[in-house]
Amino acid sequence: DAGVTQSPTHLIKTRGQHVTLRCSPISGHKSVSWYQQVLGQGPQFIFQYYEKEERGRGNFPDRFSARQFPNYSSELNVNALLLGDSALYLCASSFDYVTGDNYGYTFGSGTRLTVV
Amino acid sequence: AQSVAQPEDQVNVAEGNPLTVKCTYSVSGNPYLFWYVQYPNRGLQFLLKYITGDNLVKGSYGFEAEFNKSQTSFHLKKPSALVSDSALYFCAVSPRSNDYKLSFGAGTTVTVRA
Repeated sequence: DAGVTQSPTHLIKTRGQHVTLRCSPISGHKSVSWYQQVLGQGPQFIFQYYEKEERGRGNFPDRFSARQFPNYSSELNVNALLLGDSALYLCASSFDYVTGDNYGYTFGSGTRLTVV
Repeated sequence: AQSVAQPEDQVNVAEGNPLTVKCTYSVSGNPYLFWYVQYPNRGLQFLLKYITGDNLVKGSYGFEAEFNKSQTSFHLKKPSALVSDSALYFCAVSPRSNDYKLSFGAGTTVTVRA
């Protein structure tokens, strides 16, 4: 089975632009979470979606939004990009929405976003 | 709010020596605790987790960690380090009462010299 797939792997955007990042979870997984990892820091929680509904949101501005599709894939959208949005964006998929289940989270390799 | 502290930015050990990466946490109630490893230009790879039960948890690639509730610690250990263990290690915590998200530490870079 394929792991968690994220696209694109890298992209460069200009300040003020909009970006859409995509994530395909492991087959059978119903939950997708998004994390932002700024260089030199640990990942920060942005969103979690389970069965197409938002179950949690981190401390990020409204410029960040996401959705989950019927096939459980997900998009993360960021509007009005700032230089500080430059980061590695990680997607994690899991069967259930809790961190403590027997299945755990599987992370993708991430999308490296550079805002210039 | 939950948080994780990894007090060492870097850990350097010789191959064959024991490796310890420290982690302390703060969370309301009982925690779920995790260790992940990240290689350059890669995502996070799961190493092990503590959910309940035995305080000593064994994980992938010979790693283990011990949950110490009184010291709120979850240190990662490996008896004999390999050069291939050189990577960035993250400790993460999730409260059982709000267990949909992970809070990560800032990470510890491990360098194992031959």
